[in-house]
Amino acid sequence: EAEVAQSPRYKITEKSQAVAFWCDPISGHATLYWYRQILGQGPELLVQFQDESVVDDSQLPKDRFSAERLKGVDSTLKIQPAELGDSAMYLCASSAPPGPGYTFGSGTRLTVV
Amino acid sequence: QKEVEQDPGPLSVPEGAIVSLNCTYSNSAFQYFMWYRQYSRKGPELLMYTYSSGNKEDGRFTAQVDKSSKYISLFIRDSQPSDSATYLCASFYNQGGKLIFGQGTELSVKP
Repeated sequence: EAEVAQSPRYKITEKSQAVAFWCDPISGHATLYWYRQILGQGPELLVQFQDESVVDDSQLPKDRFSAERLKGVDSTLKIQPAELGDSAMYLCASSAPPGPGYTFGSGTRLTVV
Repeated sequence: QKEVEQDPGPLSVPEGAIVSLNCTYSNSAFQYFMWYRQYSRKGPELLMYTYSSGNKEDGRFTAQVDKSSKYISLFIRDSQPSDSATYLCASFYNQGGKLIFGQGTELSVKP
């Protein structure tokens, strides 16, 4: 079964350091999403790509977060500088309409100390 | 007010019980209603979804949507310890759009 690949699975970083997460969506899925899930809460969208273009980044803290999807395949989410409040699970998902087939990766659990 | 509201629980039931998980939503434009299951330290996995109102059954799981009351339900029959997880309801306006999640309900099924 096709999967969304994410790395690393876990990341511990110090406050003010830079951190990056990588996602490889299911082959052929044009739409890619980055969600953040704080412990005990549901995931919330940070950024959505259609191919290599950003469709929605209204909830992305652009002063410290950046995301790119060069060539419209894999994607990188970066935080610089990391803050204590960024500790969360960062989830990548992809979809390919028709059908609401959103598939999530296993996520990257970030701890900022 | 959040667009999708869900009681976070936790909910603890004995093995074999019928479980009812519920959500409410506020946006009438929502068309698709999803249920995801999330095990600890894993990403959400899609259990089932419904389009508009009505019921959908898949084995021990039944999803129900009542658009008149903006109410979403998931029923689990003959619950098993392996069903212990966090259950997330979600909705979206149109295919390819962002998912709006509820807070998630943590379920524990005791042997």
